[in-house]
Amino acid sequence: SQKIEQNSEALNIQEGKTATLTCNYTNYSPAYLQWYRQDPGRGPVFLLLIRENEKEKRKERLKVTFDTTLKQSLFHITASQPADSATYLCALEEDNAGNMLTFGGGTRLMVKP
Amino acid sequence: DTAVSQTPKYLVTQMGNDKSIKCEQNLGHDTMYWYKQDSKKFLKIMFSYNNKELIINETVPNRFSPKSPDKAHLNLHINSLELGDSAVYFCASSQASVTYEQYFGPGTRLTVT
Repeated sequence: SQKIEQNSEALNIQEGKTATLTCNYTNYSPAYLQWYRQDPGRGPVFLLLIRENEKEKRKERLKVTFDTTLKQSLFHITASQPADSATYLCALEEDNAGNMLTFGGGTRLMVKP
Repeated sequence: DTAVSQTPKYLVTQMGNDKSIKCEQNLGHDTMYWYKQDSKKFLKIMFSYNNKELIINETVPNRFSPKSPDKAHLNLHINSLELGDSAVYFCASSQASVTYEQYFGPGTRLTVT
């Protein structure tokens, strides 16, 4: 069966450090992978998309890698800030799936000042 | 301006009732979605809809039905509500023909008693 796995345990880091979150998947052949941020009581907010033929994507302090051989994506936040504290979700859509995304369970990030 | 809005924000109702949740997007997007986020925070796609095609996640009971009066609206109707329907429901939209990122509404917390 298809699975998307993110570390369900919260990640606690000190302000200024780099946070690294992991997304592993099985039995998917995704055309692209997306990362979203979700704050309590709010809907997810799109952050980055990386395609199957891209190894790395950056946006300001965010960096995403995508290894289709390992079936894994890493999401990095450099120079983390307390405002980065949230739950981060990865999402996949297989080819020809009507843009329907399947989300991982999310990883909660806590950045301490 | 609110991009994707939902009403109501909270909905408390009894088992067996029929209820609707409304969703509107002012982004001019061509595709809208409904997601369910359960108590364990897993976000699951329910429907994907554009003016040509409705795609239904096969796990969604037929008590749930999306209805789109026009391109900017996708309402969710739920018949014969059950306790297990209690969750947060998110509407989202995207311009699927151009990009894959999805914009989410603030969510509707449904509680069935």
